[in-house]
Amino acid sequence: EAQVTQNPRYLITVTGKKLTVTCSQNMNHEYMSWYRQDPGLGLRQIYYSMNVEVTDKGDVPEGYKVSRKEKRNFPLILESPSPNQTSLYFCASSSPGSRHEQYFGPGTRLTVT
Amino acid sequence: GNSVTQMEGPVTLSEEAFLTINCTYTATGYPSLFWYVQYPGEGLQLLLKATKADDKGSNKGFEATYRKETTSFHLEKGSVQVSDSAVYFCALRVYNNNDMRFGAGTRLTVKP
Repeated sequence: EAQVTQNPRYLITVTGKKLTVTCSQNMNHEYMSWYRQDPGLGLRQIYYSMNVEVTDKGDVPEGYKVSRKEKRNFPLILESPSPNQTSLYFCASSSPGSRHEQYFGPGTRLTVT
Repeated sequence: GNSVTQMEGPVTLSEEAFLTINCTYTATGYPSLFWYVQYPGEGLQLLLKATKADDKGSNKGFEATYRKETTSFHLEKGSVQVSDSAVYFCALRVYNNNDMRFGAGTRLTVKP
């Protein structure tokens, strides 16, 4: 089954404790992206990757890091989480080009206290 | 820049009512347009899309027409069901640019 998986689905952590949210897709997509979803703001892009070892900032990259060492994986790293990073996070993947929709993971709900 | 504006919610309808959720966009280039649906506790799923002007996307009784002259992509359904209760997002993706822009989302609740 074609899918994007994320782990963990729920995470409660404390300020400053490094964490990683994993994302994996099995569709051989070149393009992957991370979004955060906040009430009234829709989805905002954090980082994206056009292919292995190619990443770039989205609209809200501050406080986040990513890596793309393998085509299927695109982890999101919060080196020193803060309460304003409490949010719902989605990973997505797609083929490149505007005609193609993005496929989304189930989401990770992060709470930073 | 590229952006999407969609009708603010929440929207509450009775079962079998007609649904319209407005969506307008601003884009440079030639965008493809999408509607995604998010059911409670789940990720976003593609509902329908249109990749050029005058295209109509349709799925599960929902439809939307890509109107270049009014820069709009309004979502419609003739008779909603309780199972249609969800959050709906309008989005665009511009040619030669992989960036996808989303509206703020519209929460729909359908009551029996």
